[in-house]
Amino acid sequence: DQQVKQNSPSLSVQEGRISILNCDYTNSMFDYFLWYKKYPAEGPTFLISISSIKDKNEDGRFTVFLNKSAKHLSLHIVPSQPGDSAVYFCAASAPLNSGYALNFGKGTSLLVTP
Amino acid sequence: EPEVTQTPSHQVTQMGQEVILRCVPISNHLYFYWYRQILGQKVEFLVSFYNNEISEKSEIFDDQFSVERPDGSNFTLKIRSTKLEDSAMYFCASTLSGSYEQYFGPGTRLTVT
Repeated sequence: DQQVKQNSPSLSVQEGRISILNCDYTNSMFDYFLWYKKYPAEGPTFLISISSIKDKNEDGRFTVFLNKSAKHLSLHIVPSQPGDSAVYFCAASAPLNSGYALNFGKGTSLLVTP
Repeated sequence: EPEVTQTPSHQVTQMGQEVILRCVPISNHLYFYWYRQILGQKVEFLVSFYNNEISEKSEIFDDQFSVERPDGSNFTLKIRSTKLEDSAMYFCASTLSGSYEQYFGPGTRLTVT
């Protein structure tokens, strides 16, 4: 069951421009959302998160936006850099996840070209 | 910077055999997790572990799977009798306290033939 969906398998952006990665979810019980980044041969690395009581969280070049009514979140990277090229996973959790289980999307592969 | 390590990086086994995947979490972390990613699929939660017991497990984590913290540093995932569909990348993660912001290891690629 795909409770977290990342409908774009890949995205290519020029260096210096904005990268926008999208994520949709179906489970209205989700209350905490995260983005992880993954390079080849490495495990996912936590990037940024947002609680359902907020609609925006910013950390340097990375901003996550949450639209609860649309069950949609997005990650903005501005400006994009070649080192940002990686697979980005959206993840979500529900308060009943007492063991802190994460529900991941399939990922979007971002390529930032010079 | 401390990191989660996993061994082996690649394990090949025959169907029906038992495998043990090993993880060394970050040294002062107390919460441990296993996830897997079948090729082309999403990363899926298997189990979380705290205070020497399972905190939560998914429906994937059936009787064929078990976890153990045999000593103060290792955290293992055992698959009793492997099936072809167990072929996947297995990721271990850890956190100091219960958290969704988890530190992942590089993964073990399990190939069941």
